[in-house]
Amino acid sequence: NAGVTQTPKFQVLKTGQSMTLQCAQDMNHEYMSWYRQDPGMGLRLIHYSVGAGITDQGEVPNGYNVSRSTTEDFPLRLLSAAPSQTSVYFCASSPLTGGNTEAFFGQGTRLTVV
Amino acid sequence: LAKTTQPISMDSYEGQEVNITCSHNNIATNDYITWYQQFPSQGPRFIIQGYKTKVTNEVASLFIPADRKSSTLSLPRVSLSDTAVYYCLVGDRPQGAQKLVFGQGTRLTINP
Repeated sequence: NAGVTQTPKFQVLKTGQSMTLQCAQDMNHEYMSWYRQDPGMGLRLIHYSVGAGITDQGEVPNGYNVSRSTTEDFPLRLLSAAPSQTSVYFCASSPLTGGNTEAFFGQGTRLTVV
Repeated sequence: LAKTTQPISMDSYEGQEVNITCSHNNIATNDYITWYQQFPSQGPRFIIQGYKTKVTNEVASLFIPADRKSSTLSLPRVSLSDTAVYYCLVGDRPQGAQKLVFGQGTRLTINP
């Protein structure tokens, strides 16, 4: 019962480098999203997807790209890493319909940009 | 989306009942209230969701008055493992993963 799996758990990047944070879910959920959490703060929405082939921007999308080619996977790409992107990144998924709509979160990727 | 206000921090002791109140004065007719719990170095975890009156599950109870401008998360007989940050969210149903709006949350510390 994997749920939402994020890789890697930790990453250090140099300014200007690019990388992809991976997110996979095995619950066949339509909704997936990426959040970032800075120290002592709540989570902020970066990008989200309501199904394969459909993505949209959240509150803080600049510097990040996403794509959703399958239901299971929703990778987040950092185009040119900046120190301001140092944060913990969480991926989440949830079903499209239902009663209590619970979002399931991954364990997070702790990213440091130096 | 309705803005929420909750205490920054709370302290309690093992075995006590803890009530965390959230204000959402601008809640809309279609909005639901959801609470999440987050432990250090982990992603948030869904606790409970409700629309009005009272909702109870195996973990907590959620009390929502008739005007719905506030809500109270009640944790019965807390233990040290309930030390976490608790977030109150308000938004259109379904409040799935796509557009959750998190505030700073309430940092709950349970003491022995």
